[in-house]
Amino acid sequence: GAGVSQSPSNKVTEKGKDVELRCDPISGHTALYWYRQSLGQGLEFLIYFQGNSAPDKSGLPSDRFSAERTGGSVSTLTIQRTQQEDSAVYLCASSLGLAPDTQYFGPGTRLTVL
Amino acid sequence: QKEVEQDPGPLSVPEGAIVSLNCTYSNSAFQYFMWYRQYSRKGPELLMYTYSSGNKEDGRFTAQVDKSSKYISLFIRDSQPSDSATYLCAGFSGGYQKVTFGIGTKLQVIP
Repeated sequence: GAGVSQSPSNKVTEKGKDVELRCDPISGHTALYWYRQSLGQGLEFLIYFQGNSAPDKSGLPSDRFSAERTGGSVSTLTIQRTQQEDSAVYLCASSLGLAPDTQYFGPGTRLTVL
Repeated sequence: QKEVEQDPGPLSVPEGAIVSLNCTYSNSAFQYFMWYRQYSRKGPELLMYTYSSGNKEDGRFTAQVDKSSKYISLFIRDSQPSDSATYLCAGFSGGYQKVTFGIGTKLQVIP
């Protein structure tokens, strides 16, 4: 079956522009996670959805970052007024339940802010 | 101090060698421990998943957790060039739905 998909795979933008990153989880997976992976920083948790609600937004680095999930499926991560330090790979993962052994990652969106 | 510490490497070994990858962690609430493998420009994939202390073996891979010393290990026997990837260790408490990752160790297995 289809895995987690993310679009776009690559995004180059200018500083100050807004960007939207999309995640399509595996069908039936109720939990959805966003992570950021930067060189030298490893995988950093951003936000977690259970269904359409986000019980944990603690990882969002600033109020320029927001995310939503609709219909218990697709999620979008929006970064407003992008900065160069936002350049990273943004990874989405989904899982059947809350245990990480059912968590599958997408291929990521590589964001470059010029 | 990061909750999960891991040497980023790179680590280069000849084909057929036994590889030992290690992490330490500081969060006593972690009950589940994972190892992920990440190939270049791909998302991480779960390799091993263990609960509490002890060993778990799956083919050429063995995961070891020592909660008393807060030490996590992954051993790869008979390493192959296809094992060349970045290996990330991670911890999870269960009560709070956030997996905490190490920075990842880049492994290169030379034919």
